[in-house]
Amino acid sequence: DIQMTQSPSSLSASVGDTITITCRASQGIYNYLAWYQQKPGKVPKLLIYAASTLQSGVPSRFSGSGSGTDFTLTITSLQPEDVATYYCQSYNSVPHTFGQGTKVEVK
Amino acid sequence: QVQLVQSGVEVKKPGSSVKVSCQASGGTFSSSTFSWVRQAPGQGLEWMGRIAPVIGVPNYAQKFQGRVTITADKSTSTVYMELSSLRSEDTALFYCATASPSVTGGLDVWGQGTTVIVSS
Repeated sequence: DIQMTQSPSSLSASVGDTITITCRASQGIYNYLAWYQQKPGKVPKLLIYAASTLQSGVPSRFSGSGSGTDFTLTITSLQPEDVATYYCQSYNSVPHTFGQGTKVEVK
Repeated sequence: QVQLVQSGVEVKKPGSSVKVSCQASGGTFSSSTFSWVRQAPGQGLEWMGRIAPVIGVPNYAQKFQGRVTITADKSTSTVYMELSSLRSEDTALFYCATASPSVTGGLDVWGQGTTVIVSS
């Protein structure tokens, strides 16, 4: 099975900062990668699929990049409402494994 | 617009089974694929398995193989996830999720989640 490893596991940044979350697959998954945002007590929300395609309605400060084994989620100009846990997920082949999550806090 | 509505809270004894339902509306059920995701309290998301009703053959994560059964009923546009041999570590929120026709990867439509509590 493919393993998905996110880093860091948590981070704290100031409003207006640019942050980057990394997701590494244990083997190549082409661009079959999605990113989700989950706010406390809420259902996960799809942000990005196909590694870099922004889901409809998601603010443009979110962006994704990468292919093969290394992927990044970038949030430019971090906002207070971006406080959440972010997960990557591979869907190249089953199982569609999630990363362990990255908790983002605002200072 | 696809919507998923899941069944309610379940409280189960260790060793028993639970069957959670997820009814879809507003989309083309048979042409969709539905996944189940588990989230233990304070923990991350775990992909359990999926089913495409048009095929009817599920795929499972190895961790749950032998304990989970995912089925689909096309007549009621409902998918089910049954988890057997429950233990306290199975106490979690269980989500069903799918993708809208316009989304070519990932899961953009989620049910509200079903809480399963395993306790003696």
